[in-house]
Formats: sequence, C-alpha cells, structure tokens
Amino acid sequence: QKEVEQDPGPLSVPEGAIVSLNCTYSNSAFQYFMWYRQYSRKGPELLMYTYSSGNKEDGRFTAQVDKSSKYISLFIRDSQPSDSATYLCAMSADSGGGADGLTFGKGTHLIIQP
Amino acid sequence: KAGVTQTPRYLIKTRGQQVTLSCSPISGHRSVSWYQQTPGQGLQFLFEYFSETQRNKGNFPGRFSGRQFSNSRSEMNVSTLELGDSALYLCASSTGQGYTFGSGTRLTVV
Repeated sequence: QKEVEQDPGPLSVPEGAIVSLNCTYSNSAFQYFMWYRQYSRKGPELLMYTYSSGNKEDGRFTAQVDKSSKYISLFIRDSQPSDSATYLCAMSADSGGGADGLTFGKGTHLIIQP
Repeated sequence: KAGVTQTPRYLIKTRGQQVTLSCSPISGHRSVSWYQQTPGQGLQFLFEYFSETQRNKGNFPGRFSGRQFSNSRSEMNVSTLELGDSALYLCASSTGQGYTFGSGTRLTVV
C-alpha cells in the first residue's frame, strides 16, 4: 500500500462546475498538508498549506483535512479552463518536510471544458 | 521577488556519464530540497540542505549527491548515469510553510 493514494484521472468537468480532488494516506504522523498545481513543463506551484484537521479557504479554493479518516480534499469553485492542470497533494510530519521530505500523491489530471 | 531558478532546463546525457544540476533558491531562503519526478514514481524526495549541511536524504543510491554553498545556491550531481535516471529534477526552497519549486531540469539519458 502506497503512503499516499490519489486518483490519476483524467477528471473532466464543464467550466463553472465545482471540482473535488482527494487524497488518502496511511501515515498517521502526517500533520502538514499541501496542494500543488502543476502545468505542463513547469514545476509544482503551492496552492494551499494547512496544518492538522479543518478547513482553509483561499479565493475559489478550499482545502479540507480529516485526520481521523486520513483523507484530504481540495475544492475548486467556479472552475475555469485555466485551472486545467495536474493537482498534487503532499504531506509531511514536520513543517519543514522532515527526514523524509514531502510525500506526494501521483497527481490528478484535471481538464476544464470551455 | 525572483523565484527558484534551475539551470539548465534540458540536458541529454549518455549512460555512464555524470551530470551536475544547479539551483538558486529564493533570496533569503536557506533550505533547499531536491526531488525527482517520473511518470511511474511521481515526485520522490532526494535530499535537503540547510546552511551548507545535508539535513535529510531520501532513499536513492549514492550516485546521487549534492551540496550547498554559502550563498544557499545548491548543486546536485548524478554519477554513472543510467537510463532510469531520466526524469524531471526539481529544486525547492522553503521557509518552513510549504515549498516553492523551480521549473526543473529535464534530464534525458540515452
């Protein structure tokens, strides 16, 4: 069993829809959770950074963490074609990455249809 | 504020050769980490440097090494290249709340 599981997609939704992206994990030591967006031929871009369980909102993006279920989500409201990218979840036990660095999911390829 | 700069962007090397990749972190960031990204394995942690010292290392063979200079710039070196080393190598700098990644160096080993 991999430490972080993420559906690779592709996930295709119409413009304006609410998008839900998810990851599950097995390591209960993870406390710091991140979502990155990666466009083709670019490095990952940090979208959301959260600590422990709860919700965090930033513009059209909402991150949710449920540590009891070992499940994290990213919601994108009013999705735009420019949101089409690969979305990676990442997590760590320490704020600075720690001994094992960040552990990433393999990413979900999202396509927003105009 | 300049982002994380990685050079070169693309490299083609032959099996058995060695390669050195360079990374300049965001000004003021002292932590630099390296990751390897492949379609099969995704992003995997290579190592982290802080104030010129390797602080953490991932599960990669000794052919992968790195260093950090006093100005926080970092280099990673891969010796005796194998076909399986073909990947996007990403450098990231951090202040402790998430990482900012560079655009990466795409290495192709032929």
